[in-house]
Parts: sequence; C-alpha cells; structure tokens
Amino acid sequence: EPEVTQTPSHQVTQMGQEVILRCVPISNHLYFYWYRQILGQKVEFLVSFYNNEISEKSEIFDDQFSVERPDGSNFTLKIRSTKLEDSAMYFCASSETGSSNYGYTFGSGTRLTVV
Amino acid sequence: AQSVTQLGSHVSVSEGALVLLRCNYSSSVPPYLFWYVQYPNQGLQLLLKYTSAATLVKGINGFEAEFKKSETSFHLTKPSAHMSDAAEYFCAVSDRVGGFKTIFGAGTRLFVKA
Repeated sequence: EPEVTQTPSHQVTQMGQEVILRCVPISNHLYFYWYRQILGQKVEFLVSFYNNEISEKSEIFDDQFSVERPDGSNFTLKIRSTKLEDSAMYFCASSETGSSNYGYTFGSGTRLTVV
Repeated sequence: AQSVTQLGSHVSVSEGALVLLRCNYSSSVPPYLFWYVQYPNQGLQLLLKYTSAATLVKGINGFEAEFKKSETSFHLTKPSAHMSDAAEYFCAVSDRVGGFKTIFGAGTRLFVKA
C-alpha cells in the first residue's frame, strides 16, 4: 500500500537553529499538508499546498515557517529559527484530490525536540 | 467556523465490550466527517469517513459511525473491543466548499482491559 514517508523520525535541535522536515508524499497525490501535534494536545493544521503554492495556512504558520516542493517527489517544511514551543510531532499528509471528502494519507511523523 | 468536540479524553472498556467514542461537530455547511486512529509512535490512519451517502458508515477493523444531523453527532462504535483497538482516536471535520484543511478534535484515548 502506498505510504507517505517522513524523515527524520526524530530531530533534536537547539533553539534558534533552522530545521527542515522532509516528506515524500504518495506519487500520484497532488495536495500536500503539514499538521503538528504538541504532546498531549490536538492535531493542528499548519498549511496546505497545491500546484506549487500554499492553498491555505493557519495562524500558527507564521513567517518562521515555509514549505517547498523542491523536486517532483519531496515536500519540505522549514522552520527558520526554532523556539521551544515548536517542539511537537509534525505530520505530513497528502491526498489525491482537493475535495475534502477524500481523507488524507498521513506519514508516521517527525518528532521535533527543541532544547 | 467548523469544529469538533470529542467527549471524554479517555475511555476504558473491557475486552469484548462495546466501544462508544463520542463526537459532535459544528459546521455552517453540510460537513464531511472522519475518524482517524493513531497507534503509539505512528501516524494517523483513516478509519472511516462520511461524505453524504449512507448515514451509517462502516470502516476498517469493525468500526462504524453514524451521522445524525439532528444531533450534530458522528459517534464511533465497535460491538466488541479487542486489545489491539487500544489507541488514540480523532474525529475530524472538513467543509465541502473548497476546503483544503481538516479540523481535528482533541482525541480520545481508548484503553482496553483484559
């Protein structure tokens, strides 16, 4: 069964450092998303991406965050200057269509720890 | 704005007992509704979805959910719990009009006792 692959599974970084979280969506999917889950809290929408541009973003997704699809397979989330409160599990997801009835395929997540 | 409320952050059942996880939604337009499951140290897996066809939706692993518009509910049930059902369950909603994002509830952790 096709999977969304995320790397690394766990990243520890110092406060103020830049991190890049990587995702390989399912190959025929066109819509890509990042969500995050702070430990013990709900899954929060960060951003959606389609046709090489951001479709929608949440209030969490401020100027410190950016997304990119640098080639035909990868989808990355960059945090420019990490803060302690960025520590969370970050999930990438993709879907074949943008119509909301499809449901997403999620990756296994990257646990980001900012120290 | 859309939202979902999951009643009960923790639910504990005995193996073989009925599982009932509650979800109520708020949406200004007819919603699409989903249940996702998250096993420890794993990502989110789609259990089932409601997209305006049958109001009773069957999913994987014996789970089902019923959409009740009058009650704005989409509760998840399974007749007989299994130890392997122990996980975190998330109810989610997305709108039908150009909605690229899905809004998740806070989650309900299901414990299954032997």
